[in-house]
Amino acid sequence: DQQVKQNSPSLSVQEGRISILNCDYTNSMFDYFLWYKKYPAEGPTFLISISSIKDKNEDGRFTVFLNKSAKHLSLHIVPSQPGDSAVYFCAASVAGAQKLVFGQGTRLTINP
Amino acid sequence: KAGVTQTPRYLIKTRGQQVTLSCSPISGHRSVSWYQQTPGQGLQFLFEYFSETQRNKGNFPGRFSGRQFSNSRSEMNVSTLELGDSALYLCASSGTGMGETQYFGPGTRLLVL
Repeated sequence: DQQVKQNSPSLSVQEGRISILNCDYTNSMFDYFLWYKKYPAEGPTFLISISSIKDKNEDGRFTVFLNKSAKHLSLHIVPSQPGDSAVYFCAASVAGAQKLVFGQGTRLTINP
Repeated sequence: KAGVTQTPRYLIKTRGQQVTLSCSPISGHRSVSWYQQTPGQGLQFLFEYFSETQRNKGNFPGRFSGRQFSNSRSEMNVSTLELGDSALYLCASSGTGMGETQYFGPGTRLLVL
């Protein structure tokens, strides 16, 4: 039972355009959501997070949107840069627990 | 501030052996979590330690165990290694541990032959 799903294994975007990565979850107890970026053979790097009491959080080029009724979150990267090419994971946790449940990841490729 | 460090970075073992991996959290962080990443199962939670006590546990067999020391450093141990234990093992740390962002180390790549 996969509680966090990233249905797009890969995404290709032109440099300078917007990248939109999507994530769906099934567990309504999740209340904290995060996005991580990962390069091969390295640990995930934290990008941005959002609590369930918000529907949007921005940090520079990165914005995360949360739609609780649809159990859906998305990460927007504007403008996309070549250095953004990596695998992106969304993760979720239940209140107070440090157990992160990860999606399968989306490989983002930024083309010059 | 130094990040999460993990040793060793790479390890080759044979079936039936046991292995111990080490993790040093970010200074001041008291919660340490362990995850396993494999191509088939993705990133999966193993367990979390806070103040030397296991606070959360994932769905892994008892061959996987861990501990945390008073300086918050943590070790995980896998006994009687199986081929399927080949994976990237990641350690993450966070501050007080309650709903805080976890920061990951570079991982230990374990290959079981």
